Amino acid sequence: DAGVIQSPRHEVTEMGQEVTLRCKPISGHNSLFWYRQTMMRGLELLIYFNNNVPIDDSGMPEDRFSAKMPNASFSTLKIQPSEPRDSAVYFCASSRQVYEQYFGPGTRLTVT
Amino acid sequence: DQQVKQNSPSLSVQEGRISILNCDYTNSMFDYFLWYKKYPAEGPTFLISISSIKDKNEDGRFTVFLNKSAKHLSLHIVPSQPGDSAVYFCAASFYNQGGKLIFGQGTELSVKP
Repeated sequence: DAGVIQSPRHEVTEMGQEVTLRCKPISGHNSLFWYRQTMMRGLELLIYFNNNVPIDDSGMPEDRFSAKMPNASFSTLKIQPSEPRDSAVYFCASSRQVYEQYFGPGTRLTVT
Repeated sequence: DQQVKQNSPSLSVQEGRISILNCDYTNSMFDYFLWYKKYPAEGPTFLISISSIKDKNEDGRFTVFLNKSAKHLSLHIVPSQPGDSAVYFCAASFYNQGGKLIFGQGTELSVKP
């Protein structure tokens, strides 16, 4: 099993640009989660999907952030326009059981 | 509002000795708790979990203890090995929220040979 796949692993962009992060969950998992890790706030949940349907997006910081899951094997997290305070490591995780989530390697985003 | 707290940002232990990582929570409605381990440049990996109906769960060198009255859980690693050096996160969840996890800030464990 390849595990959760995220791309790109690193992204450097200028303020105001659109950023798209991608995630391929583990096959057979029906829940997908997007997290953000920063020094100040730690690891925080942004949004999660169950069977491709967004269930809870209360962690999405503002309207500049959006997430989609068009099918069971792909999800995107988009930031438009990006700002320096969005710089963080973004993790995608998937799960089949209710609690045990499997994380991808993360995307390190730097907005200058 | 930090619902899950790991008050020790770092811990240093000698190889072969016991490592004890602590975690406190504020919401008595949490019904499931997990520990994750994270190496640099990798995502967190699931380590061990415990349901609120239990007070102990063991898996090899790793044991998690839950004290519901004190709203406290701990992870014991015996014996500690240099490969255990990583950041450890505790997390809590409500069953009726579909697996939504709330993480602590993490404790960096260093096991010295």
